[in-house]
Amino acid sequence: DAGITQSPRYKITETGRQVTLMCHQTWSHSYMFWYRQDLGHGLRLIYYSAAADITDKGEVSDGYVVSRSKTENFPLTLESATRSQTSVYFCASSEGSAANQPQHFGDGTRLSIL
Amino acid sequence: GEDVEQSLFLSVREGDSSVINCTYTDSSSTYLYWYKQEPGAGLQLLTYIFSNMDMKQDQRLTVLLNKKDKHLSLRIADTQTGDSAIYFCADDRGSTLGRLYFGRGTQLTVWP
Repeated sequence: DAGITQSPRYKITETGRQVTLMCHQTWSHSYMFWYRQDLGHGLRLIYYSAAADITDKGEVSDGYVVSRSKTENFPLTLESATRSQTSVYFCASSEGSAANQPQHFGDGTRLSIL
Repeated sequence: GEDVEQSLFLSVREGDSSVINCTYTDSSSTYLYWYKQEPGAGLQLLTYIFSNMDMKQDQRLTVLLNKKDKHLSLRIADTQTGDSAIYFCADDRGSTLGRLYFGRGTQLTVWP
């Protein structure tokens, strides 16, 4: 009954470091998404994926990289972290794009970059 | 400006009704959604409405949609302290890829 799991829950790192946020879902959902949540901006889409090996950029993708070699995993990598990437990151998945197939969210990773 | 706009804060007394408002700009939206976020957690879908509907009721929740004015509202009847959370409006802009576009969220505080 894991659902969608994000790890780590909290991370502190330094500017210039590479950091990877993990996302794992047990439903075999086709669609997966990465968002960042910042005060005053709501949720903004970073990357999304319609299936394994298919990914596409969202509205704030600069500085981020994703991969989807397996349906259940969708890691997000910050190649060289910057302070502006301090945020709360949410992963979500959905079975499809219809309204009765809503996005299910993980509990988030709070990332601080010093 | 924001494509999906919400007021940032709302405070109500326990037992009163809460009304959270949202405006959107994209006329191609097919579905509009309300999500709830409790402290330290992710977002949970509360309800949604198809764009050709005017109203949808689900227990204490009533969603009203004015498509002409691109205005969406969420009414919570008999608001409880457990309803205190951030509420997000989202629309799909007709996307077939499951993409959603979120507002900034409304922080609802319910006073006992």
